[in-house]
Order: sequence, then structure tokens, then C-alpha cells
Amino acid sequence: QKEVEQNSGPLSVPEGAIASLNCTYSDRGSQSFFWYRQYSGKSPELIMSIYSNGDKEDGRFTAQLNKASQYVSLLIRDSQPSDSATYLCAVRNSGGSNYKLTFGKGTLLTVNP
Amino acid sequence: GAGVSQSPSNKVTEKGKDVELRCDPISGHTALYWYRQSLGQGLEFLIYFQGNSAPDKSGLPSDRFSAERTGGSVSTLTIQRTQQEDSAVYLCASSLVSTGELFFGEGSRLTVL
Repeated sequence: QKEVEQNSGPLSVPEGAIASLNCTYSDRGSQSFFWYRQYSGKSPELIMSIYSNGDKEDGRFTAQLNKASQYVSLLIRDSQPSDSATYLCAVRNSGGSNYKLTFGKGTLLTVNP
Repeated sequence: GAGVSQSPSNKVTEKGKDVELRCDPISGHTALYWYRQSLGQGLEFLIYFQGNSAPDKSGLPSDRFSAERTGGSVSTLTIQRTQQEDSAVYLCASSLVSTGELFFGEGSRLTVL
């Protein structure tokens, strides 16, 4: 059973701060990792993909991947109240079912004005 | 271009009735997924279609659930003899096989009374 673990939160940060969201996964062979943002009552929206060890930056978002530690993180700089949402970590399975994404249950982020 | 389109957005039905949920993927995306999200739970994989290949139905929770994809495009998820535990948001996603990035529709919220 492939697992993706996230701290459910809630994670509360003040406006302008850095929010740090973490994710660990069990499938050592996984090669593709994704972060989705889900506003309350809405569907998940892809915000970042990362495939190689290290950092990948896109605007205020930075994804970090460490395959040896089976760890993915998302940093949100200069957090805004509009960033308040649940953030889902998703990992693409390895092996024969490598078309499937396994999702974590998400971390609820609240950015306080 | 248009995103993934799902209908109906909301469906209220009585226990024992059949329901059909429809998904129209992004044009050019050959991979199509159905996931289910119950209140406070993570995304649960249901079924995967890719081109003309046999679908992966391994996530369907019971034989009351079935899905088809006609002409490699539109998909229908059918739930027969609905039960209260079927109440959830049913999410359809499509992707290019090469990237594995899933793009979700707005979902169909099913309530079984």
C-alpha cells in the first residue's frame, strides 16, 4: 500500500510570513511529485510539479524534493490570506501502476491578515 | 482552452436509485481518471482510462460502480442502487500521459438520502 503522509494542520501563519508544508511518501521508486491547492468547496488545482532532487521555484512557491529521505516540501513566501486553503501532496506511483497518483489527506493552511 | 467539464455539479438522489456522472476531459488529453473525495478524507482513486487500453478498475469500491469512456473522450461513471455511503464528491481529471499532471474538473457532489 503506497502511502503519502502530511500533517493535517491547521497550520496558521501571519500575512507576509513563510509557510512550510511537508510531505513524506513510502514508494521509494516514485519519480514525480505534485502539489495541489484546494479551496473549500472547490476541486484541487495543480500549483507545482517536481521531478528532480533539489529546489524548484515558481513565483512565491518553492518545491523541495529529497528522494533519499522520501520527502517533499512546499514553501510559500510572503503568504497572503488568499493562500488559505488545503494543500495536497501527490506522488506518482512507480512500477506497473505508474499512471496513478497517490494523494495525501492535505494540510490546511490559514494565513491571518 | 476549456478545462475538464463535469456534470451534474450537484445530484441529490434517494437510496436505491441509479445515478450517472459525466466527464468531458481537456481536448488532447488521452488519460482520464475518476477519484472520489469524501468529507474530511483524501482523494480515493476509482478508475483510469488511457486511449484504447483496458481501463484500470481496481479502485471501484463495489460492483455497483461502473464506468465507460466512449470514443476516447467523454466518460460516464454509473452508480447503481446508490447507498448513503456513496455520498461524496466525484472528481474527474485528465492528463497528458507524458507529464502525469492531473487537471481536475469542478466535481459532481452526490448526496444520497
